[in-house]
Amino acid sequence: GAVVSQHPSRVICKSGTSVKIECRSLDFQATTMFWYRQFPKQSLMLMATSNEGSKATYEQGVEKDKFLINHASLTLSTLTVTSAHPEDSSFYICSAGASGGLSTDTQYFGPGTRLTVL
Amino acid sequence: AQSVAQPEDQVNVAEGNPLTVKCTYSVSGNPYLFWYVQYPNRGLQFLLKYITGDNLVKGSYGFEAEFNKSQTSFHLKKPSALVSDSALYFCAVRWRPGSARQLTFGSGTQLTVLP
Repeated sequence: GAVVSQHPSRVICKSGTSVKIECRSLDFQATTMFWYRQFPKQSLMLMATSNEGSKATYEQGVEKDKFLINHASLTLSTLTVTSAHPEDSSFYICSAGASGGLSTDTQYFGPGTRLTVL
Repeated sequence: AQSVAQPEDQVNVAEGNPLTVKCTYSVSGNPYLFWYVQYPNRGLQFLLKYITGDNLVKGSYGFEAEFNKSQTSFHLKKPSALVSDSALYFCAVRWRPGSARQLTFGSGTQLTVLP
């Protein structure tokens, strides 16, 4: 159990376009989802925390108008990178905090999305 | 503020030998501690966690970790390393009873198991 999927796994886009990344909890309900960014050979940097049905909480230095997060249901959160630029190229990873029968202490991570902006 | 340190960027060990990946933390109060593993171009896989109880925690793939409160450490161990254990390992901490379940990650340790 506790599987989190991300789509797409890899995306290449032109500068100035917007890209949407989906994060789904496949077999459990996630009241809270997290979005991270990871640069090569570096640790994960938390971008924002999203709770189902409410606005996301962004970490300091993360532009909320550039990285739009929508947590529309207990199994789906989306991250939209608006007007992407080459410096937005990175590995984006989501995670979901379980509720109900699963441990509420553990985050379960998606496989990540590699974004390359040309 | 809570923080976690992984003092070694790289750990090399021969296959069949025991391995240790170090982690120390700084947090006020009692922490929740986690280990995750990441394979190239993949997300993080949960290995094990310490919440309360027995200081020795057993997790996936034969890994275990020992919570040492006096040394504020949570080192990851395995008695006999496999080449397939080669990956990037992250220690993470969450101060309880944190409201948002946010994790603070260490910088990661690249483990290479040599055949």
